Amino acid sequence: AQSVTQLGSHVSVSEGALVLLRCNYSSSVPPYLFWYVQYPNQGLQLLLKYTSAATLVKGINGFEAEFKKSETSFHLTKPSAHMSDAAEYFCAVSGRSSASKIIFGSGTRLSIRP
Amino acid sequence: ETGVTQTPRHLVMGMTNKKSLKCEQHLGHNAMYWYKQSAKKPLELMFVYSLEERVENNSVPSRFSPECPNSSHLFLHLHTLQPEDSALYLCASSQALAENSYEQYFGPGTRLTVT
Repeated sequence: AQSVTQLGSHVSVSEGALVLLRCNYSSSVPPYLFWYVQYPNQGLQLLLKYTSAATLVKGINGFEAEFKKSETSFHLTKPSAHMSDAAEYFCAVSGRSSASKIIFGSGTRLSIRP
Repeated sequence: ETGVTQTPRHLVMGMTNKKSLKCEQHLGHNAMYWYKQSAKKPLELMFVYSLEERVENNSVPSRFSPECPNSSHLFLHLHTLQPEDSALYLCASSQALAENSYEQYFGPGTRLTVT
C-alpha cells in the first residue's frame, strides 16, 4: 500500500524567500515520486519526478526535490520565491509496475507575500 | 492541439439533465483517467482505462458513466446528478506500459455546477 502526506495545507512565504514544501511517503515497494502544480482554474502540471536515478531532481520553474529514503521524504524547494509561484502543489507516489496507481497528497497551497 | 484537452471548460446543469464531458489526448498514450476535485478534499480517482478497457472503478455512483471509444478519447456521461457532484472534473493520460515512470498528464478540467 502507498500513501503520501503533505505537511501544511497552506504555506506563505515572502517574495525572494526560500520555498520549502514538505512531503512524506509510505510505500512497500521502491516508489516513483512526483510533484505537480495547479494554478487556479487549470489542471495539474508535472513539476518534476523521481524514478531512481539521481536523488536530487531538478524540475521546471527553478524547483527541485530530494529523495531521502532514510526519511521517506521528497520535499520540494526553490531558493527564491516569485509571485508567479503562488499555486497549489501536490506530491504523489506510485509503484513501478504498469498496474500501479498514482496516489496524490491532499495538496499545499503556496502564497507569496510581496 | 497539444497535450490533453477537455470540453466544455464550464458546465451548469440541472439535476434532471443529461450531459457529457469530453477528453482528448494528443500524446500517444494508452491509459486515460477521470478524477474529481472538490474543494478542500483530496483528488479522487474515479475511473481508469488502459488499452481502452476499464481497469478501475472506484465505487463511483452509476449516475456517472464513462466511455472510452479509442485510446485518444474519453467521455464521462452524466445524468440525474446531485448538487454535491459539483466539482472540477479532471482528465489525465499516461503511457501505461512505460518502463521508467507513469507520470500522468492532465487536462485543464471541466468546472461542473449542478443546480
